[in-house]
Amino acid sequence: SQTIHQWPATLVQPVGSPLSLECTVEGTSNPNLYWYRQAAGRGLQLLFYSVGIGQISSEVPQNLSASRPQDRQFILSSKKLLLSDSGFYLCAWSPTGGGFYGYTFGSGTRLTVV
Amino acid sequence: AQSVTQPDIHITVSEGASLELRCNYSYGATPYLFWYVQSPGQGLQLLLKYFSGDTLVQGIKGFEAEFKRSQSSFNLRKPSVHWSDAAEYFCAVGAGTGGFKTIFGAGTRLFVKA
Repeated sequence: SQTIHQWPATLVQPVGSPLSLECTVEGTSNPNLYWYRQAAGRGLQLLFYSVGIGQISSEVPQNLSASRPQDRQFILSSKKLLLSDSGFYLCAWSPTGGGFYGYTFGSGTRLTVV
Repeated sequence: AQSVTQPDIHITVSEGASLELRCNYSYGATPYLFWYVQSPGQGLQLLLKYFSGDTLVQGIKGFEAEFKRSQSSFNLRKPSVHWSDAAEYFCAVGAGTGGFKTIFGAGTRLFVKA
């Protein structure tokens, strides 16, 4: 069966520090991968999605970047964190061909920038 | 533009009572619709999805949803709520080419009282 792993679960980082969040998927090949951010009391905001290795689409201009160095690995990064980067970050995957099948989400990373 | 509206920020129901969570969408083509559930501090779990065909769809955990094109609605229902159903519920519509840009509503927090 397919599983998705996301880590770390929580992270407290100072303003101006770098960030690296990792997400891996097991049990499937060539998944579509997504990074969402969820602010307190709000819905989910799509940050990036990827349909293949090295293929990244950015939805929101911001302080963050994403990379997909391997088929089932998706990384969210920042060179210098801002206070506004605080939030709950969720990685998700869907089968090849699109998101119309629905997404499977990881358990999320709670990022607090101080 | 595509959008999803969940009119109720929070709802409180008694255990054993019926539940209906409202969702309205705006989408130009035939929509792909989803309901997800999120427990505190966790990722989202897909409850059910609608693509086409029967407008009443069954999901996991005893949930069902009815698609009404004339009302642009996709309301989630459960005949008898259990205390473990307390969570946040998100309605979503698959959007963009390939469904890579799923749009989520702001969520409805469900409280269950004994």
